[in-house]
Amino acid sequence: DGGITQSPKYLFRKEGQNVTLSCEQNLNHDAMYWYRQDPGQGLRLIYYSQIVNDFQKGDIAEGYSVSREKKESFPLTVTSAQKNPTAFYLCASSIRSSGTFYNEQFFGPGTRLTVL
Amino acid sequence: GENVEQHPSTLSVQEGDSAVIKCTYSDSASNYFPWYKQELGKGPQLIIDIRSNVGEKKDQRIAVTLNKTAKHFSLHITETQPEDSAVYFCAAKSGGYQKVTFGTGTKLQVIP
Repeated sequence: DGGITQSPKYLFRKEGQNVTLSCEQNLNHDAMYWYRQDPGQGLRLIYYSQIVNDFQKGDIAEGYSVSREKKESFPLTVTSAQKNPTAFYLCASSIRSSGTFYNEQFFGPGTRLTVL
Repeated sequence: GENVEQHPSTLSVQEGDSAVIKCTYSDSASNYFPWYKQELGKGPQLIIDIRSNVGEKKDQRIAVTLNKTAKHFSLHITETQPEDSAVYFCAAKSGGYQKVTFGTGTKLQVIP
């Protein structure tokens, strides 16, 4: 059964602590993405990776870090430097493409992070 | 960079009526416009898309139109059903890589 898994579904952390959100895919996709979703603001891109061992900052990368050591995994760390970390975080993946052609992004179920 | 505006933010329709959601974009180089549906507690799922060389596309009860001159595109859902209730996002892709810019979402409620 192919897809994207994110764990846990709900996550609570104390202010000042770093926290790592998991994202795993078995779709054999090269590209992976992290988005943040806040009420009334749609989805905003945090980081994306087109291939293993390579990643780029998105629109709101400050206070976040990622790694891409394996094709299947793209964990996101929310650091204490992120000023407003409470949000719904979505991971996505797609077939890597070049040029102007766009490949559909498949989303995971999301992780709701609450910082107390 | 690209800026996508989406209206309305909430929309209530009676079952069987039509629903229309509108989006505008700022980058004239944008060439791909997907629409995603997000059900409560789930990730968004692509429902229909349109490329800049096409003016309209239909898939059963849903259709999307694109006006490149005015830089706006719309989602049309006909014969709405309660299971159409969800949040809908438009998006626009510009440039030579996989980045899309999303609208702020429309919460559609279909009243039985």
